Amino acid sequence: DAGVIQSPRHEVTEMGQEVTLRCKPISGHNSLFWYRQTMMRGLELLIYFNNNVPIDDSGMPEDRFSAKMPNASFSTLKIQPSEPRDSAVYFCASTTGGGQPQHFGDGTRLSIL
Amino acid sequence: AQTVTQSQPEMSVQEAETVTLSCTYDTSENNYYLFWYKQPPSRQMILVIRQEAYKQQNATENRFSVNFQKAAKSFSLKISDSQLGDTAMYFCAFMNPPNFGNEKLTFGTGTRLTIIP
Repeated sequence: DAGVIQSPRHEVTEMGQEVTLRCKPISGHNSLFWYRQTMMRGLELLIYFNNNVPIDDSGMPEDRFSAKMPNASFSTLKIQPSEPRDSAVYFCASTTGGGQPQHFGDGTRLSIL
Repeated sequence: AQTVTQSQPEMSVQEAETVTLSCTYDTSENNYYLFWYKQPPSRQMILVIRQEAYKQQNATENRFSVNFQKAAKSFSLKISDSQLGDTAMYFCAFMNPPNFGNEKLTFGTGTRLTIIP
């Protein structure tokens, strides 16, 4: 079975540009999470969807960040405009819930110059 | 808010030895879930082991086992017969129960484990 699929794997762009990260969760999983990993802050939740509905977006840094889940098989995380401090690895994870483990994608390494 | 503490930023052991990584957490909940994830240099996040707090028995997965001390809020990971492929960052993580309404993972800061040939 395919795991969580994220794209792109790497993204390098200039400050001020719009960045869109994509995620396809595992089929049948009804919860999807976006995490960010940095040296300074470690792994932190950005937003959590359950059945395509945002449940917890308290980790979204500011209005420059937005996330959508238009259907059960696709989610996007958008940064507009991007800033150098947004440079990080962004992970998407999915699970069936009920205390089951979250399965992670390979992450997107984002570099904002 | 729940917090997870990993007090060992780095560890190294000889191949074939046993190593224990420590983790403590803070919660007022009685039922919850704990996990260890491994992140090798490839940056994948790989599940190592899962523990349900209402189960007394310590979880085991092949060479990996945990020592879960609920009263002490401690959740250590033991790796037996360590192998070169075990070299990675190891993250301890906490998850609230489903009825809490939020199943996000709260991670510790990680322990960088190096297995020496």
